[in-house]
Amino acid sequence: GNSVTQMEGPVTLSEEAFLTINCTYTATGYPSLFWYVQYPGEGLQLLLKATKADDKGSNKGFEATYRKETTSFHLEKGSVQVSDSAVYFCALSDPGGVTQGGSEKLVFGKGTKLTVNP
Amino acid sequence: NAGVTQTPKFQVLKTGQSMTLQCAQDMNHEYMSWYRQDPGMGLRLIHYSVGAGITDQGEVPNGYNVSRSTTEDFPLRLLSAAPSQTSVYFCASSRDRLNTEAFFGQGTRLTVV
Repeated sequence: GNSVTQMEGPVTLSEEAFLTINCTYTATGYPSLFWYVQYPGEGLQLLLKATKADDKGSNKGFEATYRKETTSFHLEKGSVQVSDSAVYFCALSDPGGVTQGGSEKLVFGKGTKLTVNP
Repeated sequence: NAGVTQTPKFQVLKTGQSMTLQCAQDMNHEYMSWYRQDPGMGLRLIHYSVGAGITDQGEVPNGYNVSRSTTEDFPLRLLSAAPSQTSVYFCASSRDRLNTEAFFGQGTRLTVV
């Protein structure tokens, strides 16, 4: 079945440091890939997405590239800010997987907590 | 611009009590779902609906019931609360089952004592 594995946290960085959060996936079809962010006390919100191989999603200085050959979708940011402190979730949706024994549902990783110190 | 609205935000129940967590969306989305979030477990799907009148089970459906009589509303019922159901519950909606973007409510923090 479909699954997402992301790096264990927590991650603590100083302001302006480089961020990488690793995410790899297993899917039966051709999934869409997402990064969601959850700020303290709030629900999840979409940060970026990519729907096919080699697509790059980007938003608010964050980037992730859909790598089919390595089944990865790592999140990166060149210079983090205190306001980026949050929990980040990698997720996949495999709409074509229904007929291939997969699932159309969103599947989430366990989340990575990021704390950025001033 | 309300989006997805969940009520209540906080709730304490005694073991064996029942209650309904409310979820409403004003975006005319077909697809709605309920998740629970537990430390170290990420989000786990409880139930979902692909449209009014259609519901299905997710990964952890036991002890929960849902119905979808309208496009807007998707309540989650706890039939007989247990301490293992202490969690944060999120409702989400998306335009269709392709989940091109899921919109989440702010969550309900439930404690069962």
